[in-house]
Amino acid sequence: QSALTQPASVSGSPGQSITISCTGTSSDVGGYDYVSWYQQFPGKAPKLLIYHVNNRPSGVSNRFSGSKSGYTASLTISGLQAEDEADYYCSSYTSSSTHVLFGGGTTLTVL
Amino acid sequence: EVQLVESGGGLVQPGGSLRLSCAASGFTFSRSPMSWVRQAPGKGLEWVSGISGSGGSPYYADSVRGRFTISRDNSKNTLYLQMNSLRDEDTAAYYCAKDGAMDPLEYMDVWGKGTTVTVSS
Repeated sequence: QSALTQPASVSGSPGQSITISCTGTSSDVGGYDYVSWYQQFPGKAPKLLIYHVNNRPSGVSNRFSGSKSGYTASLTISGLQAEDEADYYCSSYTSSSTHVLFGGGTTLTVL
Repeated sequence: EVQLVESGGGLVQPGGSLRLSCAASGFTFSRSPMSWVRQAPGKGLEWVSGISGSGGSPYYADSVRGRFTISRDNSKNTLYLQMNSLRDEDTAAYYCAKDGAMDPLEYMDVWGKGTTVTVSS
C-alpha cells in the first residue's frame, strides 16, 4: 500500500502559522483516529508531536496542534520559530496488511 | 528516564542475516507494545514491525513479512529483530520505538537513536 500523501515542503516566516496536510483513504486516516505526527531533525531520531489526531504529549509546545477532516489529517504550527525547521511525518494505523503507514515527510523551512 | 538503545547493525551481504537488539529501561517493558521503524538514506520513515507487551501478537509490514521476525525477552527488557534474506533495499537506519498505547500500532512515544544496517556486496 502507498504511503500517506504529504507535501514535500512548506515554508513560512517567523510568527506565522503553517499547516501540513496528510491525505489517506478510508482504510487509514479516514477510518480511524490513530493519526500521529512526528518531528525529525537531520541525523536525529523522530519525536512524537501529536497522537490520536489531536492530542499532545506532555512537554510538546501548544504551538503544535492536529486535526482531521475526512481522509485528510493536518498538523498546524502557530507562532513559527526558527527552531521548528525540521522534517515532519504523519502516520496512521491501516486496516491493510501492512498495519501502519507513514507519510512521505514534509520539510519545513522557516524563512 | 525512559531510554531505548539499539545495537547489532552493520554491513551484511545480500541474502545474509542480522539480529538487532533494543535494550529498554525506565518503564515497565512487559506492559508496553514495541515497534521497529526504519529509514533508508535520504528517505522517509517506514514502519517495519510491532509486537504486543506479552510478545504474543507480532505484526509485520508487507515488505518484510516472511523475512523478518520480531521478538522480545521481557526478563531482559530487550526487543529483537531477526532479519533474514536481506536485500539491498533493507539498507536503513533502524529505530526501536515504544508504543504509547496499551494496544500496539497506534503511535510511538519514545524512540531510540537507531542502528544502521547496510546490505551490500
